[in-house]
Amino acid sequence: SSELTQDAAVSVALGQTVTITCHGDGLRAFYASWYQQKPGHAPVLVIYGQDKRPSGIPDRFSGSTSTDTASLTITGAQAEDEADYYCHSRDIRSTRLVFGGGTRLTVL
Amino acid sequence: QVQLQESGPGLVRPSETLSLTCKVSGGAMNDQYWSWIRQSPGKGLEYLGYMYSRGGTNYNPSLSGRVSISIDTSKNQFSLRLTSVTVADTAVYYCARYWYDGSGLNWIDSWGQGTLVTVSS
Repeated sequence: SSELTQDAAVSVALGQTVTITCHGDGLRAFYASWYQQKPGHAPVLVIYGQDKRPSGIPDRFSGSTSTDTASLTITGAQAEDEADYYCHSRDIRSTRLVFGGGTRLTVL
Repeated sequence: QVQLQESGPGLVRPSETLSLTCKVSGGAMNDQYWSWIRQSPGKGLEYLGYMYSRGGTNYNPSLSGRVSISIDTSKNQFSLRLTSVTVADTAVYYCARYWYDGSGLNWIDSWGQGTLVTVSS
């Protein structure tokens, strides 16, 4: 399958650790990247590659990949991390870009 | 870091063509991929297509050939055309810069603020 699958919603207590996952066959060939989107705003890149963070992204955000699954981990979640998170990669067969359906993170 | 800014009509009639332009500032467009992505109200992100600065395009097959992207590096801008629109094409349209290193690494590092296009009669 060329699709990326994410859980629709995840919650985490303030200060705790949460992992958001993304599944897809294409992840065997291409790394996922992760985006944070808050209401009314464009997505923001938070992780790309195996575990690369753009400048300005807090180090509590980290990434990993195993076979067909990519993971985004937030260690010590803050209230401002409450947002939608999307994974993204590249389809093996068609080279088109694909997005996961998004995971809504609630910080309790 | 480049800045991207979408522009175009906010209202398009059904069956007509949606046309948007993305102005790129703060850097050149050469040797890079430029993409369009949209988000229907309350929904997730949907890939529309990308174009490499030297030519070559890739489009989402789910759009049934309705989409095309062009680029004008001399003006530092690229454009989206979506033909035969319906109400289902109502969405916030984002332009973005996409990176692909030729192996496994790919990401989108810059996004426009997005522009809402409503399809309605």
